[in-house]
Formats: sequence, C-alpha cells, structure tokens
Amino acid sequence: GQNIDQPTEMTATEGAIVQINCTYQTSGFNGLFWYQQHAGEAPTFLSYNVLDGLEEKGRFSSFLSRSKGYSYLLLKELQMKDSASYLCAVGVYNQGGKLIFGQGTELSVKP
Amino acid sequence: GAVVSQHPSRVICKSGTSVKIECRSLDFQATTMFWYRQFPKKSLMLMATSNEGSKATYEQGVEKDKFLINHASLTLSTLTVTSAHPEDSSFYICSAPRGQMSTEAFFGQGTRLTVV
Repeated sequence: GQNIDQPTEMTATEGAIVQINCTYQTSGFNGLFWYQQHAGEAPTFLSYNVLDGLEEKGRFSSFLSRSKGYSYLLLKELQMKDSASYLCAVGVYNQGGKLIFGQGTELSVKP
Repeated sequence: GAVVSQHPSRVICKSGTSVKIECRSLDFQATTMFWYRQFPKKSLMLMATSNEGSKATYEQGVEKDKFLINHASLTLSTLTVTSAHPEDSSFYICSAPRGQMSTEAFFGQGTRLTVV
C-alpha cells in the first residue's frame, strides 16, 4: 500500500525560508514529485527526485532520502504569490505517470 | 502551452443527469491517462487508470458504473459521471504521461462539476 504524509498547513513570512516535509511508505517507488496548486487550478510541476540528494531550481529546492522515505521542498525568498497548496506525490513503479498524492500542505505567506 | 486539454472547465447539471468530461493529449499519444478527484481543501485522489483499447482500472472504492471511462483513441479519454447527485460535485482532473516510460504526468486544467 501507499502512505504519504505531509503537514496540513504552514505559515511563513514574506522573504523568509520555509521547508515542507513529506514522508512516504510505498510498495513500489518511482520517484518523488512536488507540485504547486492554486485554488481551482491544475497542479503545476515543481520538481522530481529519483536519486538521493538535493535538486536546486531557482528559489525552490527539493531533497530526497530513499532509505528514510523522506523528502522536503525548500522555498527561499518567499513571495506573497507563493501562497498555495504544495502537493507531495510518489510515482508508482512500472506504471508510468501514475501518481499517489499526499494530502497537500496549505502554505500561507504573510507580509 | 498546455499539452493536455480538459473540457469543460466548469459544468452545472441537474441531479439525475449525466455529464461527460473530455481529456485530450494535444501533441503526443497517450495509451494511459489518469483521472483524479479533488474535494475542497483536499488533495488529489486517484480514481482510475484509463487504458487505450481496454477497460479502465479503478481504484478501490470507486464505483465503475458511476464513473464510466472510455479511452477510444490514443489522444482522448472521457469520464462520464452517470446519474449525478450533489455529492458528486467536485473538481475532476486528468493527467497523461508523455511516452510509456515517462515518469512525469501532464495535467489537464480540471473540471469543476456542480450538481444541483
């Protein structure tokens, strides 16, 4: 079975750094994805990790530890427009494109 | 631009009627597509895997007679919500991987269904 866990809500201040954690237990792992979703819109792809380590992409970075079943998304220099839901998702092995999502973390960025 | 197009973006229907939602891959062929449902302030819940030329694979707890899936061509999958009720009101979204070995799925724009 699949179990993906992330905090429900987080609040941070504009200009600060925030780390959103995700832990997972899966029967077949094919990479970990992070998506950003604004209310009423489709998710937007942020990052993909399949090997251990840190992937940096501008203000966003994502980290994966497969042995610990753990990932985090790091957002730097927070902006008001970063207020959104952040979804952690695990790719299912041998089923290309199939994703199992965590419950999502609602991030509120305040001035 | 979008690589997966979903239509309609919003639909309001009366209880008891059926609603069809289309998901198209625009510049690639998708032998597999995925349908998700999202409740307010919740995450995406996988409903089913749509397989071109064969029956869809439904996740546990999803009524296949309620949510009919047809994947008649390599670029189109449809989800029909049959005999809709207010509890079926939700955000429905499809995705398609580009290539059989692709790990990333491209999402459609989503459909907001309201049953009155």
